[in-house]
Amino acid sequence: DAMVIQNPRYQVTQFGKPVTLSCSQTLNHNVMYWYQQKSSQAPKLLFHYYDKDFNNEADTPDNFQSRRPNTSFCFLDIRSPGLGDAAMYLCATSRNGQGDEQFFGPGTRLTVL
Amino acid sequence: AQSVTQLGSHVSVSEGALVLLRCNYSSSVPPYLFWYVQYPNQGLQLLLKYTTGATLVKGINGFEAEFKKSETSFHLTKPSAHMSDAAEYFCAVSENSGYSTLTFGKGTMLLVSP
Repeated sequence: DAMVIQNPRYQVTQFGKPVTLSCSQTLNHNVMYWYQQKSSQAPKLLFHYYDKDFNNEADTPDNFQSRRPNTSFCFLDIRSPGLGDAAMYLCATSRNGQGDEQFFGPGTRLTVL
Repeated sequence: AQSVTQLGSHVSVSEGALVLLRCNYSSSVPPYLFWYVQYPNQGLQLLLKYTTGATLVKGINGFEAEFKKSETSFHLTKPSAHMSDAAEYFCAVSENSGYSTLTFGKGTMLLVSP
C-alpha cells in the first residue's frame, strides 16, 4: 500500500544533542510537510517542500532545519533540542498544494531529557 | 489570511446519539475545507473535504459535513455515535486560490460514553 512512513516512532534525545527525524513516502507526491504537534494542540506547520523548493514558515525557529534529497525522503533536523521541543512531529504529503488531501504519517514522538 | 475556529475543546455524547462538531472559518477567498480525525499516538486521517460542487459532503465512517457560505461554517455530523468514534477531530481550511497550505483549528476531543 502507498503510504507515508516515519522513523523512528519514538525518539529520546538529550538537551542540546542534535537529532534527525526521517520521513519517506511511496505516493510520489510533490509536496512534503513537517508539522510540530504539542499535547492537545493543533498541528503547527514548520516548513514544506514543493518538489525541491523549500518553504519555511515565518515563525519556525532557526533550530529546525529540513532536507529533501529526493522525491521520496524528507528529514527534519533539530540542531540543539530544548525541553520545549518535546512534541509529536508529523510528516505529511500531498500531490500538489491546492485543495489536495494531505496524507499523514504516524508521527515521531520526541522526548528531550 | 485564513483561520479556523472550532467551538468546544471537548464534546461528550452517549453511544447512539447525534454527533455535532462545530467549525467556522475565515478566508479572503473561497475556501477548501477539511475534517481530519486523529486517534491517540497516530497521524491524522482525512474524514472528508469540500472543494467545489455539492455543499453536503459525505465522508468515511458515516460522517458528513455541510458547507454553508452564508454562515462561514462547515460543521461535522454523524447520526449515531459509536465507541470507536472517540478521537480528536480537526477542521482545516486551505485557500481556493493558487498554492496554499492547511490552517488547522485547535481540535475537538469527542468522548463517547456507553
